[in-house]
Amino acid sequence: KNEVEQSPQNLTAQEGEFITINCSYSVGISALHWLQQHPGGGIVSLFMLSSGKKKHGRLIATINIQEKHSSLHITASHPRDSAVYICAVYKGGSEKLVFGKGTKLTVNP
Amino acid sequence: DGGITQSPKYLFRKEGQNVTLSCEQNLNHDAMYWYRQDPGQGLRLIYYSQIVNDFQKGDIAEGYSVSREKKESFPLTVTSAQKNPTAFYLCASSILGNQPQHFGDGTRLSIL
Repeated sequence: KNEVEQSPQNLTAQEGEFITINCSYSVGISALHWLQQHPGGGIVSLFMLSSGKKKHGRLIATINIQEKHSSLHITASHPRDSAVYICAVYKGGSEKLVFGKGTKLTVNP
Repeated sequence: DGGITQSPKYLFRKEGQNVTLSCEQNLNHDAMYWYRQDPGQGLRLIYYSQIVNDFQKGDIAEGYSVSREKKESFPLTVTSAQKNPTAFYLCASSILGNQPQHFGDGTRLSIL
């Protein structure tokens, strides 16, 4: 079983919809990282969080350490949000990230 | 602007040939990483380095080699011992201490 699981694997939405992508992990962590991978392959860091909630523009990330779960929300989704969203965790005491397989989001106009 | 530069964007390898992927960063980051991405799988760590002249194997180091002679540079060599080298390779860097990693745009390696 993977240490980091994301759901759903694929998500299709209409422009303007509220999007939620989930990440569950089975190990103790020191921090969780949300990343966005564009169709060309480049990866951009969205958030790193170890507790609570962070917001940047239309993106919101939350984490519940007790439940070992994080969510990435996108409000008022737009076709330019179409990408693969990746969850990764720093396991406690490690300098290495462990990655989920990603969620492919397609937002249709 | 600071960032990570990977080159080339596309690379083709003949059977039995070694190839080297370049990764340069001007972010003054101490830590650098090489990942491999295959369809349907999460990124997997090949090698990482936290300081010049030192590096550690990741989860899939067999068939790969690296060097870290300068803080800015962390080249990856895919050797002929790597039997399935076709993949997308990503380089990343970060400040030490579980900080956000910054990624390059990747190199796509294919076998001729």
